[in-house]
Amino acid sequence: DQQVKQNSPSLSVQEGRISILNCDYTNSMFDYFLWYKKYPAEGPTFLISISSIKDKNEDGRFTVFLNKSAKHLSLHIVPSQPGDSAVYFCAASQTSGSRLTFGEGTQLTVNP
Amino acid sequence: NAGVTQTPKFRILKIGQSMTLQCAQDMNHNYMYWYRQDPGMGLKLIYYSVGAGITDKGEVPNGYNVSRSTTEDFPLRLELAAPSQTSVYFCASSQDYRETQYFGPGTRLLVL
Repeated sequence: DQQVKQNSPSLSVQEGRISILNCDYTNSMFDYFLWYKKYPAEGPTFLISISSIKDKNEDGRFTVFLNKSAKHLSLHIVPSQPGDSAVYFCAASQTSGSRLTFGEGTQLTVNP
Repeated sequence: NAGVTQTPKFRILKIGQSMTLQCAQDMNHNYMYWYRQDPGMGLKLIYYSVGAGITDKGEVPNGYNVSRSTTEDFPLRLELAAPSQTSVYFCASSQDYRETQYFGPGTRLLVL
């Protein structure tokens, strides 16, 4: 039972353009969502998060949007840079629990 | 400040052998976690700990054991290695369950 799904295994964009990574979830109890970035041979690093009381959170070039009715969140990267090439994981958690549930990841490639 | 460290980086085990994956953090975090990541999959939680002396099962605990005798260390024990345990193992820590999780660089394990 995959409660957090990232349906696109890979995404390729040109430098300077927008990258949009998508994530869907099925558990309506999730109320906190995060994006992690992972480079090869390294552990994931935290990128940005959003609480279910908000529908948007920005941090520099990164913006996360949450659509609770659709159980969908997306990460926008504008403008995309070659150094953004990595695997991006979305993750979700419930107020009552301490575990994160991760999606499968999307490999983003930003071409110069 | 080393953050989260993991040893070894890579290990080959024969079926039936045992080993301990080491994890240490120097951030005085209460929460620690063990995940495994299989190819094309997201991170799955194996075990977690909310403080010294307290551990709990995650999503995929079978075949593993943990202990948490100190705040800093959270070793993961494989008693009878099986090919299905071939994976990359990540340790993480956080101050609280809603706080950002910081990941170690991972241990790549191959069971033959």
